Amino acid sequence: DIQMTQSPSSLSASVGDRVTITCRASQSISSYLNWYQQKPGKAPKLLIYTASNLHSGVPSRFSGSGYGTGFTLTISSLQPDDFATYYCQQSYSSLWTFGQGTKVEIK
Amino acid sequence: EVQLVESGGGLVQPGGSLRLSCAASGFTFSSYWMSWVRQAPGKGLEWVANIKQDGSEKYYVDSVKGRFTISRDNAKNSLYLQMNSLRAEDTAVYYCARVGGTTGTTDWGWFDPWGQGTLVTVSS
Repeated sequence: DIQMTQSPSSLSASVGDRVTITCRASQSISSYLNWYQQKPGKAPKLLIYTASNLHSGVPSRFSGSGYGTGFTLTISSLQPDDFATYYCQQSYSSLWTFGQGTKVEIK
Repeated sequence: EVQLVESGGGLVQPGGSLRLSCAASGFTFSSYWMSWVRQAPGKGLEWVANIKQDGSEKYYVDSVKGRFTISRDNAKNSLYLQMNSLRAEDTAVYYCARVGGTTGTTDWGWFDPWGQGTLVTVSS
């Protein structure tokens, strides 16, 4: 199975900060990488698909990049609504896997 | 409006069975792969199973193979997850999700939208 490793597991940041979350795959997954945001008690929401495509309705301060084994999710200017947990997910193989999550907290 | 609504969760004893349902509306259900994803209390997301539009292909995470069965009824716009031989480690919120993109292309394999989830608790 393809293992997905996110870093950091958590971070503290202030409103207005630039935040970068990294996701690494245990083998090349081309661009089959997606990002989700989840708030407590709620279902996850799609942010970025196929590594760098912004999902409809998602603010442009979110962006994704990467290919192969290394990927990043960047929030250019953190807003109060962005404090949440973020997950990456690969769909390269027949068996899909998520990263362990990155919790973004208020500093 | 595209909507997914799960039902069927509850408390079940270890070794027991449960069948989850997911009612889809607002889109052509028969045109999409569908999935189940779960989240244990306080833990991360875990993909559970996928099913092709016509049900001819199914994939499962190793930990549920042989115990869980994903199925669908396109006439009823419904997705199901039959869970047998349940274990304490199966305790989780179970989400159904539509799979986006086109298989066989690089634009493939994201979950959107998700249902609200249904809680399954396996305990004696």
